[in-house]
Amino acid sequence: NAGVTQTPKFRILKIGQSMTLQCAQDMNHNYMYWYRQDPGMGLKLIYYSVGAGITDKGEVPNGYNVSRSTTEDFPLRLELAAPSQTSVYFCASTPYLATDTQYFGPGTRLTVL
Amino acid sequence: DQQVKQNSPSLSVQEGRISILNCDYTNSMFDYFLWYKKYPAEGPTFLISISSIKDKNEDGRFTVFLNKSAKHLSLHIVPSQPGDSAVYFCAASGGGSQGNLIFGKGTKLSVKP
Repeated sequence: NAGVTQTPKFRILKIGQSMTLQCAQDMNHNYMYWYRQDPGMGLKLIYYSVGAGITDKGEVPNGYNVSRSTTEDFPLRLELAAPSQTSVYFCASTPYLATDTQYFGPGTRLTVL
Repeated sequence: DQQVKQNSPSLSVQEGRISILNCDYTNSMFDYFLWYKKYPAEGPTFLISISSIKDKNEDGRFTVFLNKSAKHLSLHIVPSQPGDSAVYFCAASGGGSQGNLIFGKGTKLSVKP
């Protein structure tokens, strides 16, 4: 099993550009999450999904969109990149509940200039 | 307003000694607590958890203590090893978080040989 994979590992965007951060898991987990981690801060939940076709907002959803068309994939879309979105983005998954162990991907480091 | 607080950004310990990482929370409805460990350029990995019905949980060198009346938990690592050097995140669930995890800012542990 590859676990949770994220692409790309690094990306530099110009203000106003758009991009999609990819996340995939091969563990057949129902729950998937997107977090961002700013320097010196904890992880903040952006969006989460409890299954294919079902998504919901987390603590910091503004400026992002998600979709979940399959169990395996949970892409995160940035439509109009802003410097405030410079961060490290982590995708995670759990089998059933958030209280289950969350398995994290290696992260995508995004810089918006 | 931070619901999960890790007030020590960093901690330095000698190899073989005990490391004690602390975490405070404000929401008395939190009912599940977890510790995650994070190495640079990697995603967090689950370390140990504790339910609010317990006051202690052990796993090898790692023990988590929960003091509900003080809204405080701590992670003890005995004996500490250089490979334990990482950032440790405390996380909590329950109390209106819709089952999602609320993370602290993390404590960077350095174990010196």
